[in-house]
Amino acid sequence: DSGVTQTPKHLITATGQRVTLRCSPRSGDLSVYWYQQSLDQGLQFLIQYYNGEERAKGNILERFSAQQFPDLHSELNLSSLELGDSALYFCASSARTSGEETQYFGPGTRLLVL
Amino acid sequence: GQSLEQPSEVTAVEGAIVQINCTYQTSGFYGLSWYQQHDGGAPTFLSYNALDGLEETGRFSSFLSRSDSYGYLLLQELQMKDSASYFCAVRRDRDDKIIFGKGTRLHILP
Repeated sequence: DSGVTQTPKHLITATGQRVTLRCSPRSGDLSVYWYQQSLDQGLQFLIQYYNGEERAKGNILERFSAQQFPDLHSELNLSSLELGDSALYFCASSARTSGEETQYFGPGTRLLVL
Repeated sequence: GQSLEQPSEVTAVEGAIVQINCTYQTSGFYGLSWYQQHDGGAPTFLSYNALDGLEETGRFSSFLSRSDSYGYLLLQELQMKDSASYFCAVRRDRDDKIIFGKGTRLHILP
């Protein structure tokens, strides 16, 4: 158990819909990261927040957005969903903002868009 | 482009040693990380090289050579539980973007 929690574990929805994925980092970690993992693309870094502020941005689509709240939990919002958005979404946390850091991954949310 | 290349699959025998390579075409990064992911599970951190050279953590070692744009993960005394996918990753220092390799699936034969 990494100490990072993600909800829900599974999500099935339809194209065009909007969903919110939630992540709670390990106690004391200030950084939260979001990743998308699909079979053909591997692990894709989406975005990082550090202590409530956006810190780094990866290949995140404009239809996706994220935020980190004062209690440090984070939400990833996916809108206008397409079939290709079906993937495993991981959240990870770390103590530091950049440089050397160990990231602890949550169990993931499996999203299926029908 | 900015990418990390890994072999898609590697097969080894239980008890043996295996090396998983990671070559990269990106400059300016903090260091090279390695993660393990079992089927259906989440990635777990294995090792990190900030400087050139070898880092050893139990049965696992990782190596980095920035001049050769190359790194590897070395697994010794292979056990069946080491059957998993292994990913190398870097964080670019110019924008903190994290880039993962596509992963190497390690198959271990008894």
